[in-house]
Amino acid sequence: NAGVMQNPRHLVRRRGQEARLRCSPMKGHSHVYWYRQLPEEGLKFMVYLQKENIIDESGMPKERFSAEFPKEGPSILRIQQVVRGDSAAYFCASSLTLYEQYFGPGTRLTVT
Amino acid sequence: SQELEQSPQSLIVQEGKNLTINCTSSKTLYGLYWYKQKYGEGLIFLMMLQKGGEEKSHEKITAKLDEKKQQSSLHITASQPSHAGIYLCGAPTSGGAGGTSYGKLTFGQGTILTVHP
Repeated sequence: NAGVMQNPRHLVRRRGQEARLRCSPMKGHSHVYWYRQLPEEGLKFMVYLQKENIIDESGMPKERFSAEFPKEGPSILRIQQVVRGDSAAYFCASSLTLYEQYFGPGTRLTVT
Repeated sequence: SQELEQSPQSLIVQEGKNLTINCTSSKTLYGLYWYKQKYGEGLIFLMMLQKGGEEKSHEKITAKLDEKKQQSSLHITASQPSHAGIYLCGAPTSGGAGGTSYGKLTFGQGTILTVHP
């Protein structure tokens, strides 16, 4: 059973561009979570989604960030008009139920 | 808001030594997860504890949950270089108007473990 897959693993964007991060959950998992790990900071929750629904987005910045988990296809975390402060590692996790979140390898976003 | 504090922040041990990492919560724990992260990589799920007094083991790693003390400990017996990495504790986020959010994990800042051969 393949684990959580994220792509790209590394992404470089210039200020003002858009970043799209993809996450394919483990087979059979319908719960997806996004976390951000900033340099010198811990891992912070961003958003929790189930198929086609956002359950909890309390950790998402109010502007420029959005997430979706469509009926078909991977979950997408979208960052519009990126700024240098968005440079971080973005991790996706998935779970079968509300417990035991399994994490992907992460996408390392660098904004130049 | 809930905070998880890990101690120590970093730990350097000689191969073969035992060690313990602690995770203390500022609020009631409704479960506790332990993960391991290697630099530049994702988090590897180690174990989940759900009930007070619960203890789980996997190979040479044992974790316990003390609900009354709002803390968990991770113990490694006879450490090996392969145990090196960053250990993170995480817990369902407690507090706020919505109660406990099991889908939203709060993490400690991590403990960096170095094992010298």
